[in-house]
Amino acid sequence: QSVLTQPPSVSGAPGQRVTISCTGSSSNLGADYDVHWYQQLPGTAPRLLIYDDTDRPSGVTDRFSGSKSGTSASLAITGLQADDEADYYCQSYDNRLRGYVFGTGTRVTVL
Amino acid sequence: EVQLVESGGGLLQPGGSLRLSCVASGFSLRSFEMNWVRQAPGKGLEWLSYVSSDGRTIYYADSVKGRFTISRDNGKNSLSLQINSLGSEDTAVYYCARRRCGHSCYSPHFDYWGPGTLVTVSP
Repeated sequence: QSVLTQPPSVSGAPGQRVTISCTGSSSNLGADYDVHWYQQLPGTAPRLLIYDDTDRPSGVTDRFSGSKSGTSASLAITGLQADDEADYYCQSYDNRLRGYVFGTGTRVTVL
Repeated sequence: EVQLVESGGGLLQPGGSLRLSCVASGFSLRSFEMNWVRQAPGKGLEWLSYVSSDGRTIYYADSVKGRFTISRDNGKNSLSLQINSLGSEDTAVYYCARRRCGHSCYSPHFDYWGPGTLVTVSP
């Protein structure tokens, strides 16, 4: 039911850079609604990682960065670390569904 | 420190009802709009419902409209979710989440989440 599509998984070696894409449509990202990103460590609640496309809450390392263009957005993780292993979700608003929508989720594995 | 703590989950039978609660601390609930989000086992996040700070404006996802009722008691710093006609599809961890606007309220985000409460629907 998710209207924001993410790759199921991405992986990288420690120290590498990985990116996670989030593809939407004209009723969400394409309508200029901001995209936000959450990290969910195993067995825990989601944690806000990036808001308003590119901003980081206080306490979030600058190894995480976000971008958005048109109907797509991306989350980049640089200097990949073992404790970055988690599920990552994008989130926005959809004016056709008139509600908040999440991405399908991406599992990041550190090789 | 901002904290949200959900309760009320458990093992329930199909067709039953339950009421989930979320108690806030470290901030005044009356100043924030709140939401419920759930996550079925091994699945992604699903937004369920929104309530404005004064409780007057409420939205639901189409998937739960008519069965779920969100409410709040600002005096008790608490949020609730009533779920009726439980089905197996309601088996999930239920989170309450605080809504926050960034540069604008055009597309808000969820800045704090509770640890969640597990609801299992099984005969």
